[in-house]
Amino acid sequence: DSGVTQTPKHLITATGQRVTLRCSPRSGDLSVYWYQQSLDQGLQFLIQYYNGEERAKGNILERFSAQQFPDLHSELNLSSLELGDSALYFCASSLGDGSTQYFGPGTRLLVL
Amino acid sequence: SQELEQSPQSLIVQEGKNLTINCTSSKTLYGLYWYKQKYGEGLIFLMMLQKGGEEKSHEKITAKLDEKKQQSSLHITASQPSHAGIYLCGALVGGSEKLVFGKGTKLTVNP
Repeated sequence: DSGVTQTPKHLITATGQRVTLRCSPRSGDLSVYWYQQSLDQGLQFLIQYYNGEERAKGNILERFSAQQFPDLHSELNLSSLELGDSALYFCASSLGDGSTQYFGPGTRLLVL
Repeated sequence: SQELEQSPQSLIVQEGKNLTINCTSSKTLYGLYWYKQKYGEGLIFLMMLQKGGEEKSHEKITAKLDEKKQQSSLHITASQPSHAGIYLCGALVGGSEKLVFGKGTKLTVNP
């Protein structure tokens, strides 16, 4: 158990809908990272937050947004969902100083 | 952009055999991570290497980062069915905390 929690574990929704994925980092970690894992693209970095502020951005679609709250938990919002958004979404956390990123169990999103 | 290539893509071995997985980077590695993933589950951190020539071991798994810091290898000694899974190497993109990953090596260990 990495200490990173993600909810929900599974999510099934329809095209055009909006969902929110939630992540709680390990105790003491200030940085949260979101990754998307799909069969064709592999594991891709989406976005990083550090102590409530956006720190780095990857190939995150404009339909996707994230935030980190004062209690350091983070949410990833996915809107206008398309079939191709079906994937495993991982959250990771670290101290934020380039130290090891510990991954949560992931949320499996299926868009029908 | 930095790319990581893992080889082999998949590996089937008999229990008790040794094996090696390689990870080659298109650019100098500033931090190389090895993770293990069971199908559809989260990534389990194994080891992190930073210095050229560095070698780390945990139980029967040893990882090395070559002197030129562009290749890493993961060696498993006397493999067991519990070693089965997908091994992913990840590297920090220079100057950032973004991790880029290889496509993974799927390991099957037959009893």
